[in-house]
Amino acid sequence: GAVVSQHPSWVICKSGTSVKIECRSLDFQATTMFWYRQFPKQSLMLMATSNEGSKATYEQGVEKDKFLINHASLTLSTLTVTSAHPEDSSFYICSAREEGHPGGGNQPQHFGDGTRLSIL
Amino acid sequence: DAKTTQPTSMDCAEGRAANLPCNHSTISGNEYVYWYRQIHSQGPQYIIHGLKNNETNEMASLIITEDRKSSTLILPHATLRDTAVYYCIVRKPNFGNEKLTFGTGTRLTIIP
Repeated sequence: GAVVSQHPSWVICKSGTSVKIECRSLDFQATTMFWYRQFPKQSLMLMATSNEGSKATYEQGVEKDKFLINHASLTLSTLTVTSAHPEDSSFYICSAREEGHPGGGNQPQHFGDGTRLSIL
Repeated sequence: DAKTTQPTSMDCAEGRAANLPCNHSTISGNEYVYWYRQIHSQGPQYIIHGLKNNETNEMASLIITEDRKSSTLILPHATLRDTAVYYCIVRKPNFGNEKLTFGTGTRLTIIP
């Protein structure tokens, strides 16, 4: 089945550091990937939609200059948290949908295992 | 996309069938019902999805009522590893609007 890989699994860094998280579709191509954030005891909240070869679409309230998204190829999207601060500490999760499938647009999204970011 | 309502939590004995309900009374004709689960500290895992017919795969069965206003996810023989938060999501199969909206889900605890 479709596999989405996320790296790293966890990051601990100092306040003010920029952190890059990678999301790869291992056995399929994805022109669109999604980035979510999840705070403790809360549900997943969509941050942005990553589009291969074009600008990402951000949800309301998400700062595009803070959370830089690059989708340079059909199998890789990156999220960079710039100048991270303690309030950015969270669980970041990406997803992608297998495209070109005979089932069309109802095919499910598959998620990575997430990246736990802790800013000290 | 239509809103869904799920119980906050449920318990199920190990080895028994776990039946997780979901209400989606405002579902429209072309919206699919998707089920995901999230085990602690992991990303969500796709389980199953359907439009109007009942569906079954190696993980679970999905029963959708005839009026499509509610559905039930069935884990036939629950194990301790099935303890997770289960999300029921309704979405149109639209290439231009694929984002998933997660609610609070049902926290299923499998009891030994």
